Amino acid sequence: AQKVTQAQTEISVVEKEDVTLDCVYETRDTTYYLFWYKQPPSGELVFLIRRNSFDEQNEISGRYSWNFQKSTSSFNFTITASQVVDSAVYFCALSEATGNQFYFGTGTSLTVIP
Amino acid sequence: SQTIHQWPATLVQPVGSPLSLECTVEGTSNPNLYWYRQAAGRGLQLLFYSVGIGQISSEVPQNLSASRPQDRQFILSSKKLLLSDSGFYLCAWRATGNTEAFFGQGTRLTVV
Repeated sequence: AQKVTQAQTEISVVEKEDVTLDCVYETRDTTYYLFWYKQPPSGELVFLIRRNSFDEQNEISGRYSWNFQKSTSSFNFTITASQVVDSAVYFCALSEATGNQFYFGTGTSLTVIP
Repeated sequence: SQTIHQWPATLVQPVGSPLSLECTVEGTSNPNLYWYRQAAGRGLQLLFYSVGIGQISSEVPQNLSASRPQDRQFILSSKKLLLSDSGFYLCAWRATGNTEAFFGQGTRLTVV
């Protein structure tokens, strides 16, 4: 069965601290895709990154970095030097090559305190 | 470039009234289309998805229905709303080939 777990429901950090959002997934497919989305208070989900199951290379984009480890079925997201604008709900998602659906985690609400 | 439009942005409807939410996509052909619902403070629940005109897959049995009358139009409907239908409804599209999905701005529905 497909499943995405975001065990951290809420996280609060002080501005400029680093923070890591955890994501653990389950799938039986050998080819799959992992995603992170940001949902600011306005509500719209903003796509951040996609990772293919056959590419375990970590990625960095500015203050954002992602650590994909197939051995532990994890796809963690780190924000370096957090800012107030990073305050949002972050969703991890899984999609399998054999299907059309997205499986979302329950989200992690991040609050960055100035 | 591709864009997705979803309306209305907010809606207050009485219990028992009908519902029609519309979503359209521009700049792409034959997208996969999705309707999600997000209850307050909770995660995303997939309601319906469509891989083509007239093809609707339902994930959750409920009093909602979806239709895709045109390639880039996806409609969420109800004949009689329940209080439990309140929530934030999001439409999304995705190109074939397992790319990422892009979401509309959402409709905040309050059933009173």
